[in-house]
Order: sequence, then C-alpha cells, then structure tokens
Amino acid sequence: AQKVTQAQTEISVVEKEDVTLDCVYETRDTTYYLFWYKQPPSGELVFLIRRNSFDEQNEISGRYSWNFQKSTSSFNFTITASQVVDSAVYFCALKSGGGNKLTFGTGTQLKVEL
Amino acid sequence: SAVISQKPSRDICQRGTSLTIQCQVDSQVTMMFWYRQQPGQSLTLIATANQGSEATYESGFVIDKFPISRPNLTFSTLTVSNMSPEDSSIYLCSVAGAGGPYEQYFGPGTRLTVT
Repeated sequence: AQKVTQAQTEISVVEKEDVTLDCVYETRDTTYYLFWYKQPPSGELVFLIRRNSFDEQNEISGRYSWNFQKSTSSFNFTITASQVVDSAVYFCALKSGGGNKLTFGTGTQLKVEL
Repeated sequence: SAVISQKPSRDICQRGTSLTIQCQVDSQVTMMFWYRQQPGQSLTLIATANQGSEATYESGFVIDKFPISRPNLTFSTLTVSNMSPEDSSIYLCSVAGAGGPYEQYFGPGTRLTVT
C-alpha cells in the first residue's frame, strides 16, 4: 500500500524565516517517484519537483531545497528566507507501482506573515 | 509545460442535476487525468482519460457517476451526474509532462458547490 503523511497541518512563520515542510512516505516498491506541489489561494496546483527513488541527491532551486532520505522514508522541503508569496498549501505526493495514480498527502498550509 | 484551461471555473448546482467540466490543453498530450479535491482534503485520482477508449477508473469511482470523454489529444470532459452535496469539491484535470505520468501538471480546477 502507498501512503504519504504530512504531519504538519498548518505552519505560520514571519517573513524571512526558514521553514521546513515534512513528508514521510510508505511504499513496498523499490522504484518510485516523489513530488512536491504548491497550491496557492487561487487553487491551481503548481509542480515544484520530482525525485526518483534512485537519486538521493539533495536539490536546491533558488530559495527552495529538498532533502530526500530513503533511510527514514522522508522527502522534506525547506524554504529559505520565506516570503509572503510563499503562503500556500503544499502537497507531497508519491507514485509507485503500476498505473498512473499519484498518492497525495493531506497537505501543509503555510502562512508567511509580515 | 502545457497550458491547461478548465471550464467552468466554478459553479453552483442543485442536487439531482449534472455538470460537465471541460479541460483544454494547448498541445497534444498522451495522458490526461481527473482528480477530486474535497473541501480541506487532499487530491484523489478519479480516472485516467484515454483517447479513443473508455476511461480507467480508480477504486470507488464509477462511469455512471463520472462519465468521461476524450475525443482527441487536447481535450477531455468530466461529467458529475445526479449530484448531491457530497459532490461539492474542486475537480482538477492534469496532463502528463514529457517525463510521462510521473510528471503531472494541473489545470486551475473547477470549484463545484451542490446545494
């Protein structure tokens, strides 16, 4: 069975603070893909990153960075120097096994305040 | 990535009626998907829209309730039939990127309220 857990329901930070969003996944497959999406108040889902299970290199893209650790089945997302525009719901998702289904976590609502 | 549009963006419907949601992509894509996001919840895959054949439904979703059409590689529709308040959700279509189904891009969603 596939499962994605985002234990943080809501996080509030002050602008310029760093914030880490946690994602823990479960799968029995050795080949799988992990994703992060951003859903701003407008509702549209924005693709941020995809990671496959064979690539444990951490990735940095501007203020965003991702820490993939197979040993703990985690794929955490850090925003450095947060900005008000980062306020959104962030979803972690997993694709494993056959078929096209992405299994989404319940999302973390991030609020960045001035 | 492809540009995806959905119509309508939102609607308020009465129970017992049906609503058809359109998804248009600006380029040909092999795979299109329909998701549901119930209020305050995560996304759940309803079905894969297959061009030229019947859609592939996930467990818990049936064709009679959510008929899907995919007449070509740039367009799909999802109908929510015989609606009840429990169908109030955001419905999103998504398409697979160049990386295949492992890279999905989403449309802006259709916010449906059933009264």
